[in-house]
Amino acid sequence: EAQVTQNPRYLITVTGKKLTVTCSQNMNHEYMSWYRQDPGLGLRQIYYSMNVEVTDKGDVPEGYKVSRKEKRNFPLILESPSPNQTSLYFCASSIYTKPYEQYFGPGTRLTVT
Amino acid sequence: AQTVTQSQPEMSVQEAETVTLSCTYDTSESNYYLFWYKQPPSRQMILVIRQEAYKQQNATENRFSVNFQKAAKSFSLKISDSQLGDTAMYFCAFMKQVGAGGTSYGKLTFGQGTILTVHP
Repeated sequence: EAQVTQNPRYLITVTGKKLTVTCSQNMNHEYMSWYRQDPGLGLRQIYYSMNVEVTDKGDVPEGYKVSRKEKRNFPLILESPSPNQTSLYFCASSIYTKPYEQYFGPGTRLTVT
Repeated sequence: AQTVTQSQPEMSVQEAETVTLSCTYDTSESNYYLFWYKQPPSRQMILVIRQEAYKQQNATENRFSVNFQKAAKSFSLKISDSQLGDTAMYFCAFMKQVGAGGTSYGKLTFGQGTILTVHP
């Protein structure tokens, strides 16, 4: 089954404790991106990647890092999480030539206390 | 920069009736895509419908149709014969059409969302 998976689905952590949210897709997609969803703000792009070793900032990259060492994986790293990073996070992917056909992961609910 | 505005935070409709969700956007681009996504309580993002800006014909998908007014920069979603399973948050989104590797390639810009409740 073609899908985007995220782990963990739920995470409660404390300020300053480094964490990684994983994203993996099995569709051989070149393009991958991360969004965060906050009430009243919709979803906003954090980072995106056009292919292996090619990443760039989205609209809200502060406090996040990403890496793209393999085509299927695009982890989101919070090196020192803060309460304002409490949010719902989505990973998405698409074929490079069809960015308008994006597949979303199931979401990760992160709470930073 | 593009902006997308959904001015209706919440809407409700009776089962089997029709409801229209509003969306306006602001852009200087000529070529772009517009989308409506559904987010049910499971939180999964589900594409409902997509419209290419160069197409004059409004997109339809079964009970879902859009009214795309390019000059007015308006993109409303009409749900006919509403069903209980349509209860969800609905997001309007914009994606500009750029060349390969261009800035903001593949970026979706979302509105704030509209919570739709379908009552039995």
